Amino acid sequence: EVQLVESGGGLVQPGGSLRLSCAASGFTFSSYWMHWVRQAPGKGLVWVSRINSDGSSTSYADSVKGRFTISRDNAKNTLYLQMNSLRAEDTAVYYCARVSIPNDAFDIWGQGTMVTVSS
Amino acid sequence: DIQMTQSPSSLSASVGDRVTITCRASQSISSYLNWYQQKPGKAPKLLIYAASSLQSGVPSRFSGSGSGTDFTLTISSLQPEDFATYYCQQSYSTSPTFGQGTRLEIK
Repeated sequence: EVQLVESGGGLVQPGGSLRLSCAASGFTFSSYWMHWVRQAPGKGLVWVSRINSDGSSTSYADSVKGRFTISRDNAKNTLYLQMNSLRAEDTAVYYCARVSIPNDAFDIWGQGTMVTVSS
Repeated sequence: DIQMTQSPSSLSASVGDRVTITCRASQSISSYLNWYQQKPGKAPKLLIYAASSLQSGVPSRFSGSGSGTDFTLTISSLQPEDFATYYCQQSYSTSPTFGQGTRLEIK
């Protein structure tokens, strides 16, 4: 079964750090670009970051640039999001998503992991 | 960034109704437009990609159309399981953006 499973969310104080993981299974992880998308409570979907298939190219939303770092370990079939200098406005469910080939749509999503930034 | 605007923001309809949701891009995005369905507490699910192509496993009552800046998602005959929030998303630029969502409720 094609699957993405996120982990690593939790409660963190403002200014703190957290690393999210997304474990992939059921497909050739190293062939796909991957993204992180977040959703604040009761709000819509917002793109956060993407990484190409071999990890050599990354991109970020302006709201997280310089604070978040996306990476991947193709040997472990795992995607990461290192989040530093966290703010209250980063509170959200974070989803990892696979981009389909060649259609550029998010065809597989994880179940999401909740990040709460609060003192 | 390319802005995506959906209308309406919410919609009440009955089982069996035909429903249309509109998505407008702030600039031309050719056919790089995708539609997702999200139910409460669940991850989004891809319905339509490239403006009009039905994702595998999605019922044929869902259809998409449009190109350039104006797009529509149509549900031909609403089923109880279709009551959810729908999002459009452009994949034209390297920074994908989503519409604000359309909440489809039972009348």
